Amino acid sequence: DAKTTQPNSMESNEEEPVHLPCNHSTISGTDYIHWYRQLPSQGPEYVIHGLTSNVNNRMASLAIAEDRKSSTLILHRATLRDAAVYYCIFKGNQFYFGTGTSLTVIP
Amino acid sequence: SAVISQKPSRDICQRGTSLTIQCQVDSQVTMMFWYRQQPGQSLTLIATANQGSEATYESGFVIDKFPISRPNLTFSTLTVSNMSPEDSSIYLCSVELGSSGANVLTFGAGSRLTVL
Repeated sequence: DAKTTQPNSMESNEEEPVHLPCNHSTISGTDYIHWYRQLPSQGPEYVIHGLTSNVNNRMASLAIAEDRKSSTLILHRATLRDAAVYYCIFKGNQFYFGTGTSLTVIP
Repeated sequence: SAVISQKPSRDICQRGTSLTIQCQVDSQVTMMFWYRQQPGQSLTLIATANQGSEATYESGFVIDKFPISRPNLTFSTLTVSNMSPEDSSIYLCSVELGSSGANVLTFGAGSRLTVL
């Protein structure tokens, strides 16, 4: 399995930035780093992915370490709707999900 | 992106019965997957549904317990056979879109099964 390590839970105040870390020391040079999130009672949804360079989209930013063994998902201004479990994964043979980080946003 | 419809969205089942979950995609896709999410847990890959051939199962999952059909590029079914309370989970269908290593997954909303 393609292994990632994330903190079990994090808290953030509303409208503050959130940095969600992930370690993926076994990633190969060609594996993309993906982030998904799962809102309560929904299936996971795609957030962002990248290979080497930092990436930005309308949902978040992804900062990838130079050695690619870790990455950080950045939510620039957390809202209550961002409360979810965030999964960092990379595809070895398949997409294997780790335990994820449960993000609580405090009003 | 793709839109995935799963049926049923939820069901309550009796021990020893079987239930088939349907997954319909609004476009043709090559790679389709079935995941299980037990209460309070992360997602576990059950199998890859291959069009025109037998599904590829992950370690710990067998065809007799979770038979899968994939008759075409837009549809798949997962059957949970001879259910027990331990099978109470959310079952999720997903498809892989894109080219090469940048592929991303799209998920259905899931089918929440409760086995009594």
